Amino acid sequence: QKEVEQNSGPLSVPEGAIASLNCTYSDRGSQSFFWYRQYSGKSPELIMFIYSNGDKEDGRFTAQLNKASQYVSLLIRDSQPSDSATYLCAVNPGSWGKLQFGAGTQVVVTP
Amino acid sequence: EPEVTQTPSHQVTQMGQEVILRCVPISNHLYFYWYRQILGQKVEFLVSFYNNEISEKSEIFDDQFSVERPDGSNFTLKIRSTKLEDSAMYFCASRGGARGSYEQYFGPGTRLTVT
Repeated sequence: QKEVEQNSGPLSVPEGAIASLNCTYSDRGSQSFFWYRQYSGKSPELIMFIYSNGDKEDGRFTAQLNKASQYVSLLIRDSQPSDSATYLCAVNPGSWGKLQFGAGTQVVVTP
Repeated sequence: EPEVTQTPSHQVTQMGQEVILRCVPISNHLYFYWYRQILGQKVEFLVSFYNNEISEKSEIFDDQFSVERPDGSNFTLKIRSTKLEDSAMYFCASRGGARGSYEQYFGPGTRLTVT
């Protein structure tokens, strides 16, 4: 059974600090990796995607990918209360683009 | 900014009834998906659709489910005879066809409640 694993949290982060989220995946053939943000009762919102090993930065977000270790992470710098949400790691196992999701990490940013 | 839309936002139906959930993907996208999320659980893949046919489906997507692209804009999910366990949020997603572009954008979802 191919899996995407995340710590469920909650991850409590002081406002202005860095939130660090981790995700591991089991399918070594996976090619593309995504981070979605999901507010309670809402749909997943794409915030980052990464396809190559290394780091990718977009504003306050940095995604990191290590295919050899089957590990992808998300850093949120200068965390804001509006960043309080569940962050979903999603992996494309390389078929027709279906996404396999982790259970999500709940992030709580405290003022 | 283009976005995926879904109707209705909330559907209540009785067990055994048929429901049709509707989606309008982003206009120049070529790949379409349905996912569901049971309350408190992971987002689960149901089906992918490309070039007017199903390209992949999960074990959840049994004979009770069907998808259709009846015209150039709509993409529908039909559940033929709903069960209590079909109660969930159903998300439509789409992605473009550009080479090397795999990002999927989700609609706001339809909350299906089966009583």
